[in-house]
Amino acid sequence: DQQVKQNSPSLSVQEGRISILNCDYTNSMFDYFLWYKKYPAEGPTFLISISSIKDKNEDGRFTVFLNKSAKHLSLHIVPSQPGDSAVYFCAASGYSGAGSYQLTFGKGTKLSVIP
Amino acid sequence: EPEVTQTPSHQVTQMGQEVILRCVPISNHLYFYWYRQILGQKVEFLVSFYNNEISEKSEIFDDQFSVERPDGSNFTLKIRSTKLEDSAMYFCASLATGPEQYFGPGTRLTVT
Repeated sequence: DQQVKQNSPSLSVQEGRISILNCDYTNSMFDYFLWYKKYPAEGPTFLISISSIKDKNEDGRFTVFLNKSAKHLSLHIVPSQPGDSAVYFCAASGYSGAGSYQLTFGKGTKLSVIP
Repeated sequence: EPEVTQTPSHQVTQMGQEVILRCVPISNHLYFYWYRQILGQKVEFLVSFYNNEISEKSEIFDDQFSVERPDGSNFTLKIRSTKLEDSAMYFCASLATGPEQYFGPGTRLTVT
């Protein structure tokens, strides 16, 4: 049951160029989408989110685009830096009542930024 | 900056033993979660906790698992009788008003 899919397990990008990480989802009930970054032996770190009623959210070098009709979102990092090398997880959230906003994660994409 | 902390960072236990994983969520947060990540797999939701009770749990969270917030700061996950397949990274997370959850560094549980 893969409600959130990240089809690219890895991505390599030159320093200074744009990194584009993609994510697809199947559940129309999700109302927020989030991107997390994870280094080895650490917990996921929140990067940026977008509400399902918006199509773009920007925070510094990070921009998330949401295409609801295609059930697709993407994270753009520009310019990419070597410190951005990590695993990026797409996650989706839907309020399911009783005080729960559980996250459903994709499998992650390992980004390598080459100096 | 406030952060979620977890102890221990690594726990090794024998099959059938009980383990307790501990978390201190961010102090003004209201919602608390446990997730796990088996090596090479995705992060999976286990349980959410709000207003001193479980609000939602996944199929993974069977009778062997329990959670508690014993003293208003700690949030614990207990596995009563560990199995080999419980070996994973366990992440605690907390949330203020939603939807951004903040994760701890994780506890690596190894069941031998």
